[in-house]
Amino acid sequence: DTEVTQTPKHLVMGMTNKKSLKCEQHMGHRAMYWYKQKAKKPPELMFVYSYEKLSINESVPSRFSPECPNSSLLNLHLHALQPEDSALYLCASSQDTLGAYGYTFGSGTRLTVV
Amino acid sequence: SQQGEEDPQALSIQEGENATMNCSYKTSINNLQWYRQNSGRGLVHLILIRSNEREKHSGRLRVTLDTSKKSSSLLITASRAADTASYFCATDGASGAGSYQLTFGKGTKLSVIP
Repeated sequence: DTEVTQTPKHLVMGMTNKKSLKCEQHMGHRAMYWYKQKAKKPPELMFVYSYEKLSINESVPSRFSPECPNSSLLNLHLHALQPEDSALYLCASSQDTLGAYGYTFGSGTRLTVV
Repeated sequence: SQQGEEDPQALSIQEGENATMNCSYKTSINNLQWYRQNSGRGLVHLILIRSNEREKHSGRLRVTLDTSKKSSSLLITASRAADTASYFCATDGASGAGSYQLTFGKGTKLSVIP
């Protein structure tokens, strides 16, 4: 299996809702990432997990809460989001965070906050 | 924060022509990677060139890296309509947290006209 699987593909949520994005990989990668991408912009790093521990949090608001239950799964819990949080959320994995390998990206979750 | 800057922002060519995209970056890097993205979906890793390499080939792709000028180029030869996509360079450099993180440039939108 050489894929990163993200669910759901599309999500519409209200500003008072609580939802979660899920990401799964079975390549044995030990680093996993969340990126946010607004329309016509490049992806921006949100969080990095290395060996299931949060190693980088790029000053992301607390309404985004990452979780890494095990080495294959990465979640992003969403609560009290704003319309400006609408974006494509991309999960990625790599063998490690030592910068020697390319990253594998999922197809993303397109989130709309209403 | 964004690292790479692609040039041009948009490129339109006829099928069969070559397409060249350039990328400049600001800080030292471990490697530089090129990704492709179709219609706002997931990114596909195309090629990785390490900081001690100058040129790399993969099929119809040729990447060069000039660390003295902090620049890279991606050449797609004999372009096809299916190559229509956005192309991003991404630098994998050391973060302050002791690991490496991937930072994307703004991207080049390539249109190949049949």
